[in-house]
Amino acid sequence: AQSVTQLDSQVPVFEEAPVELRCNYSSSVSVYLFWYVQYPNQGLQLLLKYLSGSTLVKGINGFEAEFNKSQTSFHLRKPSVHISDTAEYFCAVSEGTGANNLFFGTGTRLTVIP
Amino acid sequence: DVKVTQSSRYLVKRTGEKVFLECVQDMDHENMFWYRQDPGLGLRLIYFSYDVKMKEKGDIPEGYSVSREKKERFSLILESASTNQTSMYLCASSVLAGVRSEQFFGPGTRLTVL
Repeated sequence: AQSVTQLDSQVPVFEEAPVELRCNYSSSVSVYLFWYVQYPNQGLQLLLKYLSGSTLVKGINGFEAEFNKSQTSFHLRKPSVHISDTAEYFCAVSEGTGANNLFFGTGTRLTVIP
Repeated sequence: DVKVTQSSRYLVKRTGEKVFLECVQDMDHENMFWYRQDPGLGLRLIYFSYDVKMKEKGDIPEGYSVSREKKERFSLILESASTNQTSMYLCASSVLAGVRSEQFFGPGTRLTVL
């Protein structure tokens, strides 16, 4: 079965510092990869996705992620965070075999400190 | 603009009550999903539906049922609410599988069972 691991449950970082949120998945087949963000008291919003092609994917709000097939990772990065980036971030994986489902990690709470 | 709406943002019910959570999408999506979100556990799939009147169990279907009589509407039913069903419930929709398996989420319903 597919599984997604987000090793860091909480990441505090100072404003304007860089941040990396880690995501690893387990799959022996081709996958589609997603990062979602959830602001307080809201639903999930898509940040970015990897479907195929370039392994470096750029998303909204200055975020980017790199797909590394050999390490089965899809880490999320931002070079300079803002207070408004404080939120919970979820990594998700969908197998590229026609399945409908997304498998989610347990989430990483990013707190940006002024 | 893509839209998934949920009937209530906050709901308080008593143990043993029958609870209905409604979700409507206006994107003509085939797939619809119900998740529950709990701290430290991420999103867990309760049920999903890939067509009208069709449903599939997710990872945690016990204590829940669903109904999809129209393409745009997917209802989650708690037959007899219990305190361990206190949670955030998120509805999502997507087109058919493959490269377009991105899911679009509603704002969530925070259910408290007393």
